[in-house]
Amino acid sequence: QVQLVQSGAEVKKPGASVKVSCKASGYRFTAYYIHWVRQAPGQGLEWMGWINPNSGDTYFAQRFQGRVSMTTDTSISAAYMELGGLRSDDTAVYYCARDFRDGFDYWGQGSLVTVSS
Amino acid sequence: DIQLTQSPSFLSASVGDRVTITCRASQDIRSYFAWYQQKPGRAPNLLIYSASTLRSGVPSRFRGSGSGAEFTLTISSLQPEDFATYYCQQYNSYPRTFGGGTKVEIK
Repeated sequence: QVQLVQSGAEVKKPGASVKVSCKASGYRFTAYYIHWVRQAPGQGLEWMGWINPNSGDTYFAQRFQGRVSMTTDTSISAAYMELGGLRSDDTAVYYCARDFRDGFDYWGQGSLVTVSS
Repeated sequence: DIQLTQSPSFLSASVGDRVTITCRASQDIRSYFAWYQQKPGRAPNLLIYSASTLRSGVPSRFRGSGSGAEFTLTISSLQPEDFATYYCQQYNSYPRTFGGGTKVEIK
């Protein structure tokens, strides 16, 4: 069965970077884009961008450009999202999700990133 | 960017009620539209895609309708497990955007 398993919670200081991993199983990893979506405490869903595991191409929401990078390691079917220049308002649960071309059909369990001095 | 306006943002209902949630897009998104359910502490779960296609395994009491710029999610008879927050999403263009959410609570 399809699964996306993410890395654990992180606590970071303002200005630091965080790297969240998302390990896929149960399907051909290179066949589907991986998107990243975040959710601040008590708030809605915010789309961050995608990566094409087959080519490594990426596309980011404008507000994250220059601060985010997305990579994959196809040898272990893993995707990574790194966000730099962390601020307190980056405190959120970060999700990876598989794009089956009609929305996001499978999601990771979420990784809480807390930014605090 | 395409804005999605969901209404209501909060809904109080009883088991067995018929519930309707609306999502309005700021421009025509054809049928590139999905609905998700999210329970506290859990990731969103896809319910409906292509505006009206029920994902396999989702109960038939969930129904999506609409196209263009106005969409509706209807739950025909609310069950205890349906109390959650519902989000709409457009995938017609980038950036992908979500509605603000509708929290369905027990009356």
